[in-house]
Amino acid sequence: ILNVEQSPQSLHVQEGDSTNFTCSFPSSNFYALHWYRWETAKSPEALFVMTLNGDEKKKGRISATLNTKEGYSYLYIKGSQPEDSATYLCAFFRGDYKLSFGAGTTVTVRA
Amino acid sequence: DSGVTQTPKHLITATGQRVTLRCSPRSGDLSVYWYQQSLDQGLQFLIHYYNGEERAKGNILERFSAQQFPDLHSELNLSSLELGDSALYFCASSGSSGRQTGELFFGEGSRLTVL
Repeated sequence: ILNVEQSPQSLHVQEGDSTNFTCSFPSSNFYALHWYRWETAKSPEALFVMTLNGDEKKKGRISATLNTKEGYSYLYIKGSQPEDSATYLCAFFRGDYKLSFGAGTTVTVRA
Repeated sequence: DSGVTQTPKHLITATGQRVTLRCSPRSGDLSVYWYQQSLDQGLQFLIHYYNGEERAKGNILERFSAQQFPDLHSELNLSSLELGDSALYFCASSGSSGRQTGELFFGEGSRLTVL
């Protein structure tokens, strides 16, 4: 059974504060790690696809790092804004054509 | 707009019935993934098709089946429906081939309610 775990399940952040959360995945047979943002009443949208150990990706105030040897990825939000409120999903691909999602971290940014 | 079209958006039916959910991927995308999101559950992988061929199956029930047609649209067939099949069903497409996968583009989902 492939377990992709995300922690914490939810968090509340004050506007302007920075935050980060974790995605853990099996370290064997790694091909790719995806991050998606899922806003209420919308569909998930891709943030990053990461394939190499040590990868760092950045999009605006959001960035992610990847450690494939120990099986984790961090997503960082710098200077959180209300529009960052969403559920952030990570997904693990191990080359068997299945992309397995974690349960997500729900971020609520308080003004 | 992701370019992925799912129909119907909402569907209400009774237990024991059969429904078909349809997905049109982004133009040029050969891969189609189906996911189920039940209440308080994350996205559960059901099945992946690439250019008409089944590539991988997840926790898909035997009462469910899918296919991808030559024009690349895909259908998910759900039969002998049970109350527990009520969920949001997402289709996503990707342009990648081979053993890698690029980002998925999700449709808006089909919300199925079984009464």
